[in-house]
Amino acid sequence: GAGVSQTPSNKVTEKGKYVELRCDPISGHTALYWYRQSLGQGPEFLIYFQGTGAADDSGLPNDRFFAVRPEGSVSTLKIQRTERGDSAVYLCASSPGLAGGQEQFFGPGTRLTVL
Amino acid sequence: AQKVTQAQTEISVVEKEDVTLDCVYETRDTTYYLFWYKQPPSGELVFLIRRNSFDEQNEISGRYSWNFQKSTSSFNFTITASQVVDSAVYFCALSGRGSTLGRLYFGRGTQLTVWP
Repeated sequence: GAGVSQTPSNKVTEKGKYVELRCDPISGHTALYWYRQSLGQGPEFLIYFQGTGAADDSGLPNDRFFAVRPEGSVSTLKIQRTERGDSAVYLCASSPGLAGGQEQFFGPGTRLTVL
Repeated sequence: AQKVTQAQTEISVVEKEDVTLDCVYETRDTTYYLFWYKQPPSGELVFLIRRNSFDEQNEISGRYSWNFQKSTSSFNFTITASQVVDSAVYFCALSGRGSTLGRLYFGRGTQLTVWP
């Protein structure tokens, strides 16, 4: 079946602009996660959803970052007033539920470059 | 706090050599889960294995094996008879319970290069 998909695969923007990154989870997966991976680092947790609600958004770095999942499937990560330090690969993952130790299935990521 | 340390930044081996990737973790949870993921040059993270904190049995899957030792808070990964296709970045990750349920805490990764 189809895996997690993310669009766009690459996004180049200018400092101060607004961007939206989209994630399509595996069908039927109720939990959805966003991570950010900077060059040479491991992924860092941003936020996760169980259904439509954000169960834990404590990883969002500041209030310029926001994510939604209005219908419990597709999610959008929104970044306002982008800064050069936001440049990274943004990874989305999904899992069947939120039980402890669930395997998370990752998408290919969106590479964001802020000039 | 949850923390994963992968002290080896880069490892290079020649094909058919065995290689072990180290992972040390810190957690206050009594129930937790450990993972290994592979990130090939294409960038997509691929799940390799999950262990829970109550199962210290070592596991073997083909050329891959994992050694989980709670006494030393380590979860090491060995590739036997390495192949060029094993070249990738390997991440160890930790997931706890309670307020951090659902989050994966990743180490910085180990870049493995296997030369023909």
